[in-house]
Amino acid sequence: GQQLNQSPQSMFIQEGEDVSMNCTSSSIFNTWLWYKQDPGEGPVLLIALYKAGELTSNGRLTAQFGITRKDSFLNISASIPSDVGIYFCAGPGSGGSNYKLTFGKGTLLTVNP
Amino acid sequence: NAGVMQNPRHLVRRRGQEARLRCSPMKGHSHVYWYRQLPEEGLKFMVYLQKENIIDESGMPKERFSAEFPKEGPSILRIQQVVRGDSAAYFCASSPLEGYTGELFFGEGSRLTVL
Repeated sequence: GQQLNQSPQSMFIQEGEDVSMNCTSSSIFNTWLWYKQDPGEGPVLLIALYKAGELTSNGRLTAQFGITRKDSFLNISASIPSDVGIYFCAGPGSGGSNYKLTFGKGTLLTVNP
Repeated sequence: NAGVMQNPRHLVRRRGQEARLRCSPMKGHSHVYWYRQLPEEGLKFMVYLQKENIIDESGMPKERFSAEFPKEGPSILRIQQVVRGDSAAYFCASSPLEGYTGELFFGEGSRLTVL
C-alpha cells in the first residue's frame, strides 16, 4: 500500500524560529494535505495542495507540492507557542477512493517560549 | 455552522464489553468516514458510509467491528467484545454529496480505553 514518510519525527525549537518539515512517498499523489493535531483533539486541515509545483500559504504557513508529485514540505515562519502539536501530511487514494487518506506518522513540534 | 460532532469524547470499557461511538456529520453532508488512530501513529481508514449504505469497509476488522449510518440519526461505530488492542482514538469525518475534492474535515474524536 501507499506509505508516507515524514521527517523529522520531532523538533524542538525556540519561539520566533522558522520550521521546515517534509513528507515523501514512493508513489504519486494528486493531492497533498497538511493537518495539525493538538493533544486530545482531532486533526485540523491546514493546507491543501492540488497541483504539482503549487506553493500555497495560510498565514505563517507555506506548503509546496513537489514537482515529482512524490513529496511535499511545510514551512512555519516565526513560530509561536501555539504552533505546538503534531503535523501530519496525508494523501488521498487514487481513482474513486480519494476518501481513503494515507497519513504519515507525523512530526511532533515543540516550541520553547 | 457546527462541525462534525462525535460522542462520547472518552469511553472506558472492560475487556469483553461493547463500545458504541457516535458521529453526526456536518450539516448538509451525507457521507461519513471513520478512521482509527493508534498511539503515536497517523490515522488509518476504516469505513466509508452513505445514508443506509456501507460503501467501503476495507479498512475495518472483519470481526467484532460494525458500522451503520441510518436514515435518521448519527452514524454508529460498534465494537463488540472489546480487547486491549482496540484502545485508540476513533475519528469521524464527513463530506458533501457533491463537490468533494479530497479534503476531509474530522471531528474531535472518541478515545476508547479498554481495561
